[in-house]
Amino acid sequence: SAVISQKPSRDICQRGTSLTIQCQVDSQVTMMFWYRQQPGQSLTLIATANQGSEATYESGFVIDKFPISRPNLTFSTLTVSNMSPEDSSIYLCSVDDSGNTIYFGEGSWLTVV
Amino acid sequence: GDSVTQMEGPVTLSEEAFLTINCTYTATGYPSLFWYVQYPGEGLQLLLKATKADDKGSNKGFEATYRKETTSFHLEKGSVQVSDSAVYFCALKKGAQKLVFGQGTRLTINP
Repeated sequence: SAVISQKPSRDICQRGTSLTIQCQVDSQVTMMFWYRQQPGQSLTLIATANQGSEATYESGFVIDKFPISRPNLTFSTLTVSNMSPEDSSIYLCSVDDSGNTIYFGEGSWLTVV
Repeated sequence: GDSVTQMEGPVTLSEEAFLTINCTYTATGYPSLFWYVQYPGEGLQLLLKATKADDKGSNKGFEATYRKETTSFHLEKGSVQVSDSAVYFCALKKGAQKLVFGQGTRLTINP
C-alpha cells in the first residue's frame, strides 16, 4: 500500500488567513483526493486532484475557497483560504492504488481561532 | 444514490467481549466494501475489504463477510481489547467512483 505523508499535521490558524496543506506519496498514483472531516462527523470528499489539469470539485466546494495543485503523480497541495472557525476540521489526503482501494494520510488537524 | 448505514454509536464494551458493528448498504451494481478505522488523533487506516459477494475480509482479528442477499457487511471480532477503541467507518466504492462512507461508529473498550 502507498505511504502518504501530510504536512502540517496540526496547526492553529487565525481567521481570515490561508493555509496550504501538502501531501506526498511514496509512489506514483493516478488518483489523489482531498477529504474534510468536521468534528465528530464522517468524511466528505472535497475534490479529486488531477495531475496537469484543474481539480474536480464536489458539490458545495469551490476552487476559490479550496484551491488545489497537483504538479506531478506523487504530490498535491490543498489550500484553505480566508479561514473561519467553521473550517476547523481534519483535512485528509487519499490515493487510489489502482486496485480499487483508497488509502489515507494521517490528516492535517486545523483549528481556526 | 448509493448509501451506507451503520449501527448507531457510541458502543461501549468490556475487554474480551464479542463485537458486532452492523453495516448495510444500498447500491446498484457490485460495489467493493471496506471497513476503515480511525484511532484517537490519527487518520483513517484500511482495516479490511471485500470485493465480491461471499468474500470475507479479515485483519487484526476483525472479520466481515460481504452478504449480497442482505446487503450487509457487518464487522465482528471475537474478543476486543482496550486498544481497539476507535471510530469505525464502513464504506463502499464502485469502480472509479468515489468512496461512500457511513456515519461512523465510536467504540470504547473498558478494561
